[in-house]
Amino acid sequence: DIVLTQSPATLSLSPGERATLSCRASQSVSSYLAWYQQKPGQAPRLLIYDVSSRASGIPARFSGSGSGTDFTLTISSLEAEDFAVYYCQQRSNWPPTFGPGTKVDIK
Amino acid sequence: QVQLVESGGGVVQPGGSLRLSCAASGFTFTTYGMHWVRQTPGKGLEWVAIISYDGSHKYYSDSVRGRFTISRDTSKNTLYLQMNSLRTEDTALYYCTKDPRVGRPSGNYATYYFDYWGQGTLVTVSA
Repeated sequence: DIVLTQSPATLSLSPGERATLSCRASQSVSSYLAWYQQKPGQAPRLLIYDVSSRASGIPARFSGSGSGTDFTLTISSLEAEDFAVYYCQQRSNWPPTFGPGTKVDIK
Repeated sequence: QVQLVESGGGVVQPGGSLRLSCAASGFTFTTYGMHWVRQTPGKGLEWVAIISYDGSHKYYSDSVRGRFTISRDTSKNTLYLQMNSLRTEDTALYYCTKDPRVGRPSGNYATYYFDYWGQGTLVTVSA
């Protein structure tokens, strides 16, 4: 199985700051990578798919980049509702796998 | 709007069985593949199973193959997960999720992304 590693485990930032989250794959996943946001007590929500395509209703402050094994989720200016856990997920190789998550909390 | 509502979770002893249900609404159920994904504090998010839009294709993770069965009832717009021979490591919050790809007879029926999720149903396997 492809192993996804996310860093940092926790990111402490203030509202208005830029957040940069990293996801690294144990082997190439081409462009088949997604990002999800999960808030406490809620299910994950799809933010980005195929590295950089925003899902329906996702604000433009969320963007994704990368290819192969190294990927980045950027939140250009954090809003109060963005403090959450973020997971990356690959669908390049079966089975689909998820990263362990990065928690973005308020500094 | 799309709604997925899971039910059927509970506490069961090792070796026991449980059937999860997921009532779907707000989209054409017969057009999309559906998945089960589970989450635990220790192992995180784990994909469990998929069923194609027409029920003709079913695939399972190695950890549940042979014990779990995914199915769908189009007359009830409901997805199921029959879980047999349950183990303590199956303890998790189980989510019903929708695949974003419109299924077609030519194949390529799923992306293995998950664009809508239910709220989850908790399964606890304990003696």
